[in-house]
Amino acid sequence: ELKVEQNPLFLSMQEGKNYTIYCNYSTTSDRLYWYRQDPGKSLESLFVLLSNGAVKQEGRLMASLDTKARLSTLHITAAVHDLSATYFCAASSQNTGNQFYFGTGTSLTVIP
Amino acid sequence: GAGVSQTPSNKVTEKGKYVELRCDPISGHTALYWYRQSLGQGPEFLIYFQGTGAADDSGLPNDRFFAVRPEGSVSTLKIQRTERGDSAVYLCASSAIGTSGYNEQFFGPGTRLTVL
Repeated sequence: ELKVEQNPLFLSMQEGKNYTIYCNYSTTSDRLYWYRQDPGKSLESLFVLLSNGAVKQEGRLMASLDTKARLSTLHITAAVHDLSATYFCAASSQNTGNQFYFGTGTSLTVIP
Repeated sequence: GAGVSQTPSNKVTEKGKYVELRCDPISGHTALYWYRQSLGQGPEFLIYFQGTGAADDSGLPNDRFFAVRPEGSVSTLKIQRTERGDSAVYLCASSAIGTSGYNEQFFGPGTRLTVL
């Protein structure tokens, strides 16, 4: 079974600061996904990373994938309050079927 | 276009009762997934359909849980003899490619099940 760990679990940061959320996974994965979840809402797709060295950016968020280290990062630049949410990474692999294995999530609070 | 829809949005039931949760995927998506999300946790896989058949049901916790997708579109997750531990948000997702390659899953709003 593919295990996914995220850290930190909770993150409180001031507006304007930068921070990185880390996502480690246990076995070979060829696909890594990042989702955002607001309280009481479902998951919104942010990024899909399909190959080693992949980097994608949208606004103040940038995601990267290092398949050799089995690590993905979600970097937040100059945080704003609207980014407050829970962020999940999920890994999948053709070898493990098409189900997603999710991390426990990182609850981000951006303080004005 | 319309996203994944789920009904009901909330369901409160008593221990021992039977419940059905419905998922309507994005039109044209052949793959459909059910996940369960407990408070403070990430979603956990339950079952995956490719078309009408259950391609992987390894995540169903026990034989009280069953899901169907008779016409390859709408799916129903059925839980018999509900227990308090079944309380969670049940999420449905669909994707356009289910067997290989790129597989971005789009999630519905979820059904919050509370077993009293």
